[in-house]
Amino acid sequence: EIVLTQSPGTLSLSPGERATLSCRASQSVSSSSLAWYQQKPGQAPRLLIYGASNRATGIPDRFSGSGSGTDFTLTISRLEPEDFAVYYCLQYGSSPPKYTFGQGTKLEIK
Amino acid sequence: QVQLQQWGAGLLKPSETLSLTCAVYGGSFSGYYWSWIRQPPGKGLEWIGEGIPRGSINYNPSLKSRVTISVDASMNQFSLKLNSVTAADTAVYYCARHKTGVTAFDIWGQGAMVTVSS
Repeated sequence: EIVLTQSPGTLSLSPGERATLSCRASQSVSSSSLAWYQQKPGQAPRLLIYGASNRATGIPDRFSGSGSGTDFTLTISRLEPEDFAVYYCLQYGSSPPKYTFGQGTKLEIK
Repeated sequence: QVQLQQWGAGLLKPSETLSLTCAVYGGSFSGYYWSWIRQPPGKGLEWIGEGIPRGSINYNPSLKSRVTISVDASMNQFSLKLNSVTAADTAVYYCARHKTGVTAFDIWGQGAMVTVSS
């Protein structure tokens, strides 16, 4: 069973700064099966990135995803006040079919 | 614009059966997988299972023995049943979709809080 470990658990930054969030898989995964989500309190998660590096519809270009194999990264180039939230990575495995989320990274205002 | 609207009982006693339904409005029902995902208070997300119209149903192995997902293409709805609930099943339950060939959930329901308490 693949386990996704996100780091750091909490990231404290200021608006305008660059954020780098990590998602590490316990074994190699297909880049096409890796996605990133943003969740704000009381809201459903919002898809940011799919296929490791493809921005979802309507997502600003300050959000970018990269990585392959076991190491994936979500980068927010210049933080806006609305970007402070919890971020999750998601991986799909096909044998058996199963989706696994990372435990989340909380991005908070410094 | 596609919207998912979900409903079901919000308060259950231990050993009862959780039952939720999600309806799809404003978009195609075919060609998509329809999933249930849950989030205990203050915790992370857990995928429960998925189904596709006239196709396969897949479950999270950790919940498989207690879960039934059904998909009704005639009504553009899909449902979740989780039996023998305990306090550990207390969570916000979300319905969500992903397109075949794209393994990411792009549209989510509003979420439904289900509390299990005696």
